[in-house]
Amino acid sequence: HSMLTQPPSASGTPGQRVTISCSGSSSNIGGNTVNWYQQLPGRAPKLLIYDSNLRPSGVPDRFSGSKSGTSASLAISGLQSEDEANYYCSSWDDSLNRLWVFGGGTKLTVL
Amino acid sequence: QVQLQESGPGLLKPSETLSLTCAVSGYSISSISYWGWIRQPPGKGLEWIGTIYHRGDSYYNPSLKSRVTLSVDTSKNQFSLNLSSVTAADTAVYYCARHVGYCSKTNCFGPFDPWGQGTLVTVSS
Repeated sequence: HSMLTQPPSASGTPGQRVTISCSGSSSNIGGNTVNWYQQLPGRAPKLLIYDSNLRPSGVPDRFSGSKSGTSASLAISGLQSEDEANYYCSSWDDSLNRLWVFGGGTKLTVL
Repeated sequence: QVQLQESGPGLLKPSETLSLTCAVSGYSISSISYWGWIRQPPGKGLEWIGTIYHRGDSYYNPSLKSRVTLSVDTSKNQFSLNLSSVTAADTAVYYCARHVGYCSKTNCFGPFDPWGQGTLVTVSS
């Protein structure tokens, strides 16, 4: 049972724009920043977005992040076949149990 | 560029202690830095295990805290994870990662980047 809620799946065709949502609470997303990770099949997760809307060097600007209240979103524009992967959101939770929490992951399929 | 590589036994019996090491290259672990462990059961999502500061201060997932010990060996530029009394539920791919941020007494900030390639640990009798 993940503390951050993501849709289990999403899909789009090449060139389309897709968004993946991540819902949390006041103890995590509501008061802290969000990081997004991309996990290609059989690979380790890779940082995609940090501090809710910043891209590490080397990440294409097709990827963007946003946060509003207790929810966050990852948007991918100009969808490409190599974007097919699992995407995870993460945030620090500062409730009684202080810990990093992750969403359950969203499997993105490029049709 | 910073690179991390996990190593350790891939098969354990229930009640044994899982011991993994993460070798760091491209960065001196004795510099101001935080390092983390995250695991992923087969076909499932990610779970944070803990984060350790280069001087040894540690932060643990409350659900694992009683069984986890993290340590740093600056002479070998590596850090380690020990998880005691393992069960089948601890079967997972274990990743080490650099925590690009910091932890105060109560909160941690910043993402995990980069990650090691991961190592599968199976617990089975």
